[in-house]
Amino acid sequence: TQLLEQSPQFLSIQEGENLTVYCNSSSVFSSLQWYRQEPGEGPVLLVTVVTGGEVKKLKRLTFQFGDARKDSSLHITAAQPGDTGLYLCAGGEEGRRALTFGSGTRLQVQP
Amino acid sequence: DTEVTQTPKHLVMGMTNKKSLKCEQHMGHRAMYWYKQKAKKPPELMFVYSYEKLSINESVPSRFSPECPNSSLLNLHLHALQPEDSALYLCASSPGLGYEQYFGPGTRLTVT
Repeated sequence: TQLLEQSPQFLSIQEGENLTVYCNSSSVFSSLQWYRQEPGEGPVLLVTVVTGGEVKKLKRLTFQFGDARKDSSLHITAAQPGDTGLYLCAGGEEGRRALTFGSGTRLQVQP
Repeated sequence: DTEVTQTPKHLVMGMTNKKSLKCEQHMGHRAMYWYKQKAKKPPELMFVYSYEKLSINESVPSRFSPECPNSSLLNLHLHALQPEDSALYLCASSPGLGYEQYFGPGTRLTVT
């Protein structure tokens, strides 16, 4: 069974602070996705990374895929209350029929 | 259009009722999924369809019955559910198996 471990599980910070969420596995993934989910809604795809060492930026969010394609990080600069939600990473493997989802990081940004 | 739609948004049903959840996508995706999500937990995979054929059944009880009438539609038929089946049910689609998935807004199901 492939596992994706996310840390931290829960994070409560003040508006304007920076934070990093980690997604780690012992398995190699051909691609990795990050999603954000707000309460009562479906997860929304933020980014897909496919190349080891790849860095992608989405406004204040920076995503990195590890060189060995076993881990990823999400860094948020100057967090805002609108960033509050459940952040999920998910890994895809060639030949595997479904994504493997991480356990999630619940982020709360206080105004 | 990257939208996956789900109906209904909310559903309350008794343990003897029969109901269906519906999901639709028009992105030409060939894989569709049903997930169950409990509060403060990640989504749990239930079923996967690929090219309208059931590809994965994650040992889901038979009171949940999926159906894929065509490449754009996915249904989940519910019968004789238990209160512990109350959850957010999410549908997703992807271009193919193992690719990034696009989720619908979910159906909040309450079993009384």
